[in-house]
Amino acid sequence: DTGVSQDPRHKITKRGQNVTFRCDPISEHNRLYWYRQTLGQGPEFLTYFQNEAQLEKSRLLSDRFSAERPKGSFSTLEIQRTEQGDSAMYLCASSPGQGRTGELFFGEGSRLTVL
Amino acid sequence: AQKVTQAQTEISVVEKEDVTLDCVYETRDTTYYLFWYKQPPSGELVFLIRRNSFDEQNEISGRYSWNFQKSTSSFNFTITASQVVDSAVYFCALSAYSGGGADGLTFGKGTHLIIQP
Repeated sequence: DTGVSQDPRHKITKRGQNVTFRCDPISEHNRLYWYRQTLGQGPEFLTYFQNEAQLEKSRLLSDRFSAERPKGSFSTLEIQRTEQGDSAMYLCASSPGQGRTGELFFGEGSRLTVL
Repeated sequence: AQKVTQAQTEISVVEKEDVTLDCVYETRDTTYYLFWYKQPPSGELVFLIRRNSFDEQNEISGRYSWNFQKSTSSFNFTITASQVVDSAVYFCALSAYSGGGADGLTFGKGTHLIIQP
């Protein structure tokens, strides 16, 4: 399977703990995005990478959130000192780039539950 | 600020009926992109279409068609002869056009479409 893969698919944690999600994009895609989706809502943009450079961050991304994409391949999204409001589905997407703007290939998501 | 409104939270129709999903957007940008995505019960969002603001031509792809009207800031999606497999949540989305095309998408809240057999 050559789609976008995310790990873990489900994570249950206690408030105050740190969690990390991993995303492996489609190999030939140089753009990678993180979104967050809560029940009954559309995905909300968090951040975007072109290769290894983080080019855009949403105001939603507080200082407890950090994302990296070393070597321009996989990406990680870390949430420190989790809060109950962080409970959501975290979606990763990759894109081929110019000429196909906004054509995002999404993974199945990582569901976070903060108790 | 950008905003996408999908006023229809849920629509239920019987198979083979035609159904239109409404999308109204707000943006201060003069050039932008509009999108539709499908999220089936399995959960993975699937890209359906992109339309740039320069092009108001309607588009048809099989049973799917899209009506873009800049004058009313709408980008509606019609499914003709609906099928049970069309059951999903459909999202309309908007992004600025920045040349490099790197901006994140602003999604609406989605319309849950239920096709009854």
